Amino acid sequence: GNSVTQMEGPVTLSEEAFLTINCTYTATGYPSLFWYVQYPGEGLQLLLKATKADDKGSNKGFEATYRKETTSFHLEKGSVQVSDSAVYFCALGPLYSSASKIIFGSGTRLSIRP
Amino acid sequence: NAGVMQNPRHLVRRRGQEARLRCSPMKGHSHVYWYRQLPEEGLKFMVYLQKENIIDESGMPKERFSAEFPKEGPSILRIQQVVRGDSAAYFCASSPPSGSEKLFFGSGTQLSVL
Repeated sequence: GNSVTQMEGPVTLSEEAFLTINCTYTATGYPSLFWYVQYPGEGLQLLLKATKADDKGSNKGFEATYRKETTSFHLEKGSVQVSDSAVYFCALGPLYSSASKIIFGSGTRLSIRP
Repeated sequence: NAGVMQNPRHLVRRRGQEARLRCSPMKGHSHVYWYRQLPEEGLKFMVYLQKENIIDESGMPKERFSAEFPKEGPSILRIQQVVRGDSAAYFCASSPPSGSEKLFFGSGTQLSVL
């Protein structure tokens, strides 16, 4: 069945450091891939998505590329800020279908030091 | 435009009591999803409802758990005779009929069973 494996946290970085959070997946067919972010005290919100191989999703300085050959969707940011401190969830699922089919990873907690 | 509203934010129950979690979807959304997040795990789908209908309950435990989304009022996730293993964060999300691309989450209810 479909599954998502993401890097264990917590990850602690200094401000302006380069960020990578690894995510790999197992899937049948051609799912869409997502990164969700959960800021303290809030619900998850969609950060970025990619719908097919070699697509790059980007938002708020974050990027992730859908790599079919390595079954990966790693999240990157060139220079993190304190405000990026949050929990990040990798997910996969069909795009135009019931959200009941979305599979979430276990989340990676990111803390940024000033 | 209010987002997905969940209450209460925190709920403490003793073993054997009932827990009721409420979710009001975003305005204009008729689809509601409930997810459970156990410590150190990802979100796990529980149930998908539309007004007055359960569409998919494949993730619901067979006993003690039930959900409804009446014609008027919020969606309710009900857990009868709670046990310590029910302690978790419960998230509600809503979407329009088009599906997972427009999924919005509430801030969750943290259930603690003593």
